[in-house]
Amino acid sequence: GQNIDQPTEMTATEGAIVQINCTYQTSGFNGLFWYQQHAGEAPTFLSYNVLDGLEEKGRFSSFLSRSKGYSYLLLKELQMKDSASYLCAVMDSNYQLIWGAGTKLIIKP
Amino acid sequence: GAVVSQHPSRVICKSGTSVKIECRSLDFQATTMFWYRQFPKQSLMLMATSNEGSKATYEQGVEKDKFLINHASLTLSTLTVTSAHPEDSSFYICSARPQTGEQETQYFGPGTRLLVL
Repeated sequence: GQNIDQPTEMTATEGAIVQINCTYQTSGFNGLFWYQQHAGEAPTFLSYNVLDGLEEKGRFSSFLSRSKGYSYLLLKELQMKDSASYLCAVMDSNYQLIWGAGTKLIIKP
Repeated sequence: GAVVSQHPSRVICKSGTSVKIECRSLDFQATTMFWYRQFPKQSLMLMATSNEGSKATYEQGVEKDKFLINHASLTLSTLTVTSAHPEDSSFYICSARPQTGEQETQYFGPGTRLLVL
């Protein structure tokens, strides 16, 4: 079956760095996405990885290892507004998104 | 950037009534639109994929007679929850894939929160 695993909840301190891991097993692979979702809102796109390696975009970076079925989202210089759920999603061979349950990130002052 | 709208953003209805949710791509044409449902503290669950001019493809466990999808044009898809019940209360999100561009591109609407009393 298809499976996306990510931690349920993480806590970090304002100004620090946090890494949210995601492991996946899917039928085919056409890229891995990270989305941010604030409570009561739709997801917003953060990053897309289809090749191995690190993609950096400002305070956020995303890493992919296809051979290990593994990705992480790295958030630096955490701000209170980064408190949200972070969703890992993999696009399978049919170009459908398979979603993880999301990681709720709590930022403390 | 590409914008997808949903209407209404929030709806409260009585049990047994039907509710229609619209999903529009405002500045691009979308051959494919996706409908998701998200219960509190859970992941997005794909309900169905709709292609303009053809019948929607429903995911396993989603009743097509209860969740009617119409993708009548390249910019509009509608989801009608028929005979809604309290267990249908959820956050419904659509996304749209542009007619031109990469297959992996999807733009999400802001979501519709449905509460069935």
